[in-house]
Amino acid sequence: GAGVSQSPSNKVTEKGKDVELRCDPISGHTALYWYRQSLGQGLEFLIYFQGNSAPDKSGLPSDRFSAERTGGSVSTLTIQRTQQEDSAVYLCASSLVVQKRYEQYFGPGTRLTVT
Amino acid sequence: AQTVTQSQPEMSVQEAETVTLSCTYDTSESDYYLFWYKQPPSRQMILVIRQEAYKQQNATENRFSVNFQKAAKSFSLKISDSQLGDAAMYFCAYRTRNAGNMLTFGGGTRLMVKP
Repeated sequence: GAGVSQSPSNKVTEKGKDVELRCDPISGHTALYWYRQSLGQGLEFLIYFQGNSAPDKSGLPSDRFSAERTGGSVSTLTIQRTQQEDSAVYLCASSLVVQKRYEQYFGPGTRLTVT
Repeated sequence: AQTVTQSQPEMSVQEAETVTLSCTYDTSESDYYLFWYKQPPSRQMILVIRQEAYKQQNATENRFSVNFQKAAKSFSLKISDSQLGDAAMYFCAYRTRNAGNMLTFGGGTRLMVKP
């Protein structure tokens, strides 16, 4: 079956513009995560969705960041008024929570460059 | 809060030799999971190996094995018979046992394999 997909693969935007990043999880996976990977760094948790529960937004760095998950499937991460420090790779992961070990499967990421 | 530390920013190994990547973590919990992920230049995070904290036996996956020292909060990855395809960033990650919790990552170790 298809893995986690993300679009676009790369995005270049001007400082101050808004951007939307998309994640298509593995079909049937109820949990969805967004992470950010700044240059040469590890991954930093941003937000987590699980079914119809309220999302865990504890990792969002500022109120310019928001995310939605429509119909329990596709998710969109929106960054408003982008800043240069937002430049990073944004990775999405999904998992099937009913699995005992809840393994997270990652997409290829979106590389965001803010000029 | 949990933290994960990888003290080796870069490592190199000769093809066919063995290399060990270090990871330490800090947690007050007794039950959790530990992971090693591989990230090649394609950016795709690939799960290499997992360890459940309640299991005393060290996990192995073909040429990959771990040395899990729970009391010392240490979780090293040993790669035997290194291959050119093993060259990548390696990330150590921690997750609590509760369903859906996010991964906490270390800063990564870049592994170079010399032919």
